[in-house]
Amino acid sequence: QSALTQPPSASGSPGQSVTISCTGTSSDVGAYNYVSWYQQHPGKAPKLMIYDVNKRPSGVPDRFSGSKSGNTASLTVSGLQAEDEADYYCSSYAGSNNPYVFGTGTKVTVL
Amino acid sequence: QVQLVESGGGVVQPGRSLRLSCVASGFIFSSYTMHWVRQAPGKGLEWVAAISEDGNRIHHADSVRGRFAISRDSFENTLSLQMSSLRVDDTAVYYCTRDLSGGGCDYWGQGTLVTVSS
Repeated sequence: QSALTQPPSASGSPGQSVTISCTGTSSDVGAYNYVSWYQQHPGKAPKLMIYDVNKRPSGVPDRFSGSKSGNTASLTVSGLQAEDEADYYCSSYAGSNNPYVFGTGTKVTVL
Repeated sequence: QVQLVESGGGVVQPGRSLRLSCVASGFIFSSYTMHWVRQAPGKGLEWVAAISEDGNRIHHADSVRGRFAISRDSFENTLSLQMSSLRVDDTAVYYCTRDLSGGGCDYWGQGTLVTVSS
């Protein structure tokens, strides 16, 4: 099972928006509405930001939103804040044999 | 509150074995699928293994299949990962995580570091 493809980096100024893509295949992202996004600060455990493509867990600001089109999912962070600077990983359910696959990760920098 | 606490990491020589544990609290452990996810130093996340609520459905990543075994004890609220024939490229922080019905992992432990080195 190959990792989902994300851009290595993305950046934006405070208050701006940044969108991160996550490209998979018709066997994972394209097949299921089970895409999730995680935020990870250095030395910390990942934190779930989006699940089921576009749902936010309790406590996650509505500045974070998710979407999907075909084999590509996206995470948009609106109104960038300094604390949004982190690594972001997507993940998708990929069927019963190899249930999960993660993306390659994107480092978001707030300029 | 939900807590996942991993233990068992350390330094081990290639070819040896190690057993990781994760003690869960604050939720009904037997109602959730659980996962192990790892992260090599400076690298991305890699899914390792999953076990269903009742322990009857188990999956391992191709990279560890035949060497690692996930298990759970719902009486002790403990998730385990038995790792054998360890290789240098198994060096990573290993996280225990709770499944959100297939749509993601909503709680993560703090991780335990496994270093495979001669």
